[in-house]
Amino acid sequence: DQQVKQNSPSLSVQEGRISILNCDYTNSMFDYFLWYKKYPAEGPTFLISISSIKDKNEDGRFTVFLNKSAKHLSLHIVPSQPGDSAVYFCAAGYTGTASKLTFGTGTRLQVTL
Amino acid sequence: NAGVTQTPKFRILKIGQSMTLQCAQDMNHNYMYWYRQDPGMGLKLIYYSVGAGITDKGEVPNGYNVSRSTTEDFPLRLELAAPSQTSVYFCASSYKPGSGETQYFGPGTRLLVL
Repeated sequence: DQQVKQNSPSLSVQEGRISILNCDYTNSMFDYFLWYKKYPAEGPTFLISISSIKDKNEDGRFTVFLNKSAKHLSLHIVPSQPGDSAVYFCAAGYTGTASKLTFGTGTRLQVTL
Repeated sequence: NAGVTQTPKFRILKIGQSMTLQCAQDMNHNYMYWYRQDPGMGLKLIYYSVGAGITDKGEVPNGYNVSRSTTEDFPLRLELAAPSQTSVYFCASSYKPGSGETQYFGPGTRLLVL
């Protein structure tokens, strides 16, 4: 039972354009969501998060949107840069669970010149 | 701060052998976690700990054991290695639970069981 789904295994975007990565979840108890970025042979690094009481959170070029009714979140990267090429994982958790996170399967983003 | 460190980086085991994957953090985090990542899959939680002396099972604990004698260290033990345990293992830590606080990950240990 995949509670967090990233249905696009890969995405290719031109440098300077917008990258949109999507994530769907099924567990309505999730009350916070995070995006992690992972380069080959490294551990995931935190990118941006959003609480369920918000519908948008911005940090520089990165914006996460949350649509609770649709159980959907998305990560927007504008403008995309070659250094953004990595695997992006969506993760979800809920308060009171020792910060246990449920991860999606990841989307590999390639930003081309 | 070194953050979260893991050793070894890579290991080949024969079926039935045992080994311990080491994890240490120097951020004084109470919460620590072990995940495995199989190819094309997300990270699956194996075990976690909310403080020294306290551990609990995650989603995929079978074939593994953990201990947490200090705040800093959280080793993962494989007793009888099986090919199904071929994976990349990540250790992580976080400061406080349920607040959206991010987890900080180590660089991973790649394990191959033949």
